Amino acid sequence: EVQVVESGGGLVQPGGSLRLSCSGSGVTFSTSWMTWVRQAPGRGLECVAAVKQDGSVNYYMDSLKGRFTISRDNAKNSLYLQMNSLRAEDTAVYYCVRGRNMDVWGQGTTVTVSS
Amino acid sequence: DVVMTQSPLSLPVTLGQPASISCRSSQSLIYSDGNTYLNWFQQRPGQSPRRLIYRVSNRDSGVPDRFSGSGSGTDFTLKISRVEAEDVGVYYCMQGTHWPLTFGGGTKVEIK
Repeated sequence: EVQVVESGGGLVQPGGSLRLSCSGSGVTFSTSWMTWVRQAPGRGLECVAAVKQDGSVNYYMDSLKGRFTISRDNAKNSLYLQMNSLRAEDTAVYYCVRGRNMDVWGQGTTVTVSS
Repeated sequence: DVVMTQSPLSLPVTLGQPASISCRSSQSLIYSDGNTYLNWFQQRPGQSPRRLIYRVSNRDSGVPDRFSGSGSGTDFTLKISRVEAEDVGVYYCMQGTHWPLTFGGGTKVEIK
């Protein structure tokens, strides 16, 4: 069974940090770009960050201004998102997604930034 | 950034009737390899998005054949030949050709 599982979400104060993790079973990450997509409450989808198969190339939403870092560990079939200096507008469900054409999605992990 | 514009925002449909969603991109989505990376996703209430169509017109495994995609260049369409109750949700187009990857704003399909 193909399964992608995110973890690490939670409630954090403005200015705080979180590290999201994603692991896959029945699905290989190493041969694909991997992306983080987020969905704010009641809103649409936006691609937050993406990383190439070997980790050599990353893309980030312009508005993040260097606060987030995406990384991967192909040996562990895992993806990560380090989020620093969190703001209220970062509140969202964060999805781990395989590929730049997004064929496999996780169930999402909720990040809430609030005092 | 490539802007993806979907219409309509809301689409009330009678069960068994067809539905059509339009998606337009601000730039051509033809990649250097000759492929057009335009994808369609369905998000049912309370669920994660699920890809339905990739590269304009290819259905993903398990997607009913009542769903079809078409288009080229900057103009694309998702059609549902006969809407069923399980099709209720929000549909998004997304381009995988240009960085950053961008989504349309979504079309909410509901039953009349």
